[in-house]
Amino acid sequence: EAQVTQNPRYLITVTGKKLTVTCSQNMNHEYMSWYRQDPGLGLRQIYYSMNVEVTDKGDVPEGYKVSRKEKRNFPLILESPSPNQTSLYFCASSKTGNEQFFGPGTRLTVL
Amino acid sequence: QKEVEQDPGPLSVPEGAIVSLNCTYSNSAFQYFMWYRQYSRKGPELLMYTYSSGNKEDGRFTAQVDKSSKYISLFIRDSQPSDSATYLCAMSVESSYKLIFGSGTRLLVRP
Repeated sequence: EAQVTQNPRYLITVTGKKLTVTCSQNMNHEYMSWYRQDPGLGLRQIYYSMNVEVTDKGDVPEGYKVSRKEKRNFPLILESPSPNQTSLYFCASSKTGNEQFFGPGTRLTVL
Repeated sequence: QKEVEQDPGPLSVPEGAIVSLNCTYSNSAFQYFMWYRQYSRKGPELLMYTYSSGNKEDGRFTAQVDKSSKYISLFIRDSQPSDSATYLCAMSVESSYKLIFGSGTRLLVRP
């Protein structure tokens, strides 16, 4: 089954404790992206990657890091999480960058 | 002013009604237009995808793009309670890897 998977689905952590949210796709898509979704603000792009080893900032990259060492994986790293990064995070992949397929989401709470 | 504006709703209609969901945008360079459906606690799911102006139909769903008015619409015919969800519009410019989302309209279809 073609899908985007994210882990963990739920995470509660404390300020400053480094964490990684994994994202994997099995559709051989070149393009992958991370979004955060907040009430009233909609989906905002954090980072995106056009291919292996090629990444670029989206609209809200501060406090986040990404890496794309393999085509299928695109982890999101929070080196020192803060409460304002409490949000619902989605990973997406696409063949072209336009028709994006989303993962199930990761709900992160930073205390 | 946001690049993409969408009424948050909620929009409540009886089962069987025709639903009209809309987005306006300010960037005349947008060429790709998408509608996503998002059920509670799930990732957005691509519903419709159109390039440039015109209409596209898929079953009970019709997407319409009016570039002269910078206005896109999604019509749902014979609405069902299972259509109750948040509908997000999204758009991008040619050769861009960046999707700009509306904040979503919550739709409730009453049995």
